[in-house]
Amino acid sequence: GAGVSQTPSNKVTEKGKYVELRCDPISGHTALYWYRQSLGQGPEFLIYFQGTGAADDSGLPNDRFFAVRPEGSVSTLKIQRTERGDSAVYLCASSLTGGSTEAFFGQGTRLTVV
Amino acid sequence: KNEVEQSPQNLTAQEGEFITINCSYSVGISALHWLQQHPGGGIVSLFMLSSGKKKHGRLIATINIQEKHSSLHITASHPRDSAVYICAVKRPPLVFGKGTRLSVIA
Repeated sequence: GAGVSQTPSNKVTEKGKYVELRCDPISGHTALYWYRQSLGQGPEFLIYFQGTGAADDSGLPNDRFFAVRPEGSVSTLKIQRTERGDSAVYLCASSLTGGSTEAFFGQGTRLTVV
Repeated sequence: KNEVEQSPQNLTAQEGEFITINCSYSVGISALHWLQQHPGGGIVSLFMLSSGKKKHGRLIATINIQEKHSSLHITASHPRDSAVYICAVKRPPLVFGKGTRLSVIA
């Protein structure tokens, strides 16, 4: 597609439920990043994929969070046993490579855990 | 200490003023981004820099690699420039500053 697409744009879920957030990067972009942005804060890094593999997952807060990118294109961020503190905007970005190439951002998924 | 520090955190300016937002970082990077985020909106990349200076319309971004410092300047500011401006360094991945909230008053 023309840009980075994230679905859904909004997700409301009950505490304890499982959610999946999807990111469609720009076609051909090998690097894909997931970030989380809480209200009034800058984005926090979660995980970075280069191709199909997670090059850096040091930002995942705990083992309830997991992300995959099985074919090196679409990525899914999975959150198990959601907690109210998981409420945030989850941002995805992609770039042509992982080096000094420009990153392009999706509009984000606003997750609200009630 | 954050790897990326921005100043000021909040800035209010009168329309027409020249604005400067600063970013300092403490890690080795491959590039630095200046990003714009409107309330409730997505993030838009304004500039990506690895050296020198870039200009786009009323926006100018500079970077000094040796001093690990970058500035974003807005000339002849306008109320529509009101947004959060975020500095992010690419290691990779992108590491973000906390942003500068700019309000331009007519």
